[in-house]
Amino acid sequence: QQQVKQSPQSLIVQKGGISIINCAYENTAFDYFPWYQQFPGKGPALLIAIRPDVSEKKEGRFTISFNKSAKQFSLHIMDSQPGDSATYFCAASRSGSARQLTFGSGTQLTVLP
Amino acid sequence: DAGVIQSPRHEVTEMGQEVTLRCKPISGHDYLFWYRQTMMRGLELLIYFNNNVPIDDSGMPEDRFSAKMPNASFSTLKIQPSEPRDSAVYFCASSWAGATGRGYTFGSGTRLTVV
Repeated sequence: QQQVKQSPQSLIVQKGGISIINCAYENTAFDYFPWYQQFPGKGPALLIAIRPDVSEKKEGRFTISFNKSAKQFSLHIMDSQPGDSATYFCAASRSGSARQLTFGSGTQLTVLP
Repeated sequence: DAGVIQSPRHEVTEMGQEVTLRCKPISGHDYLFWYRQTMMRGLELLIYFNNNVPIDDSGMPEDRFSAKMPNASFSTLKIQPSEPRDSAVYFCASSWAGATGRGYTFGSGTRLTVV
């Protein structure tokens, strides 16, 4: 019930292309879905987050698409740049859970110049 | 704010030795989390505190692991005795109950190698 499944495990995209990472969850009580970005040697950093009352959230080149009925959400990176090369984690939490996040397994993104 | 500060950044120790990892959360944050990251298991929550009180330690792998938070600005994760399978990157993160985004702020981690 607490699991968040993330795919793909790794992704290689050409500069300027679109990167898409997908996550699926089982617990319908989840009500907060953040994405974290991690560079080598650094801790994960919050990138963008969405709540289930909206289907899409956009911040610059980063967009979260959310499908409540399918219990899926995805991260789209438009015009991908080499500087976007990092590991991306999706996560989920629910109200009353004392802010405990359940993380996906991570996607290693490589953007080729 | 300097963010979440962890020390040391790297630790190499021999099997059987005691290891202590340290964390200073962001001032004003009332939640503190300890995570372990490995290639095989990803990010695992070990334990978290609220207002310095341990709330859930179900992720602590064994009795060899212990964590304390004596005050709002300091926490430790101790492994005694350490084993090679404890080799991982250990992250501390903090957050604030009042933050609308409910996001965590992670430290840069401690890379532990047990030989």
